[in-house]
Amino acid sequence: DGGITQSPKYLFRKEGQNVTLSCEQNLNHDAMYWYRQDPGQGLRLIYYSQIVNDFQKGDIAEGYSVSREKKESFPLTVTSAQKNPTAFYLCATSTGLRRNTGELFFGEGSRLTVL
Amino acid sequence: GENVEQHPSTLSVQEGDSAVIKCTYSDSASNYFPWYKQELGKGPQLIIDIRSNVGEKKDQRIAVTLNKTAKHFSLHITETQPEDSAVYFCAASRGYIPTFGRGTSLIVHP
Repeated sequence: DGGITQSPKYLFRKEGQNVTLSCEQNLNHDAMYWYRQDPGQGLRLIYYSQIVNDFQKGDIAEGYSVSREKKESFPLTVTSAQKNPTAFYLCATSTGLRRNTGELFFGEGSRLTVL
Repeated sequence: GENVEQHPSTLSVQEGDSAVIKCTYSDSASNYFPWYKQELGKGPQLIIDIRSNVGEKKDQRIAVTLNKTAKHFSLHITETQPEDSAVYFCAASRGYIPTFGRGTSLIVHP
């Protein structure tokens, strides 16, 4: 069935370790996004990609990195440079610039806890 | 850039009552205003949206109104039910990157 798959759902990491969150989609959407959600803070944009091999920083990109080697995949790496990485991370897609409706489709999220 | 303010942060109602969530935005060029519902442990899902050429839109028990002059828009839920309990986010955009409000936690008591 079509959708967005984020893994792992829960992840624990020690301070100083990098961790990669996976996001895979089979909706054939051009655009993909990563958001961070903290209690009372809403959804803050980390990175987005409108097309393969291209991505742009969002509002809070420091300490994060991404790649877009395939249309279906947009992994997010939380590096040790991210000072407060404990959060709920959401991946989203949209149809993209060519036929954009504006709607975002979200995965079910990954909860990262730094011990 | 765009700034979206959302109020209230928490809203508690009795089943059957109406609920109203309000948002204001700062960029007069914004032209798309979606509302998302997020259930516990899940990702947000679009429930209704409105574009700047429309003042009001309804879908069964939910409706959204937009006042472009005042730069505010609201979500109205009538005859609330326990399954309406969730976090609701408003957003505003003029392209493909929305700016989200901080969310409203709606609690519907049976």
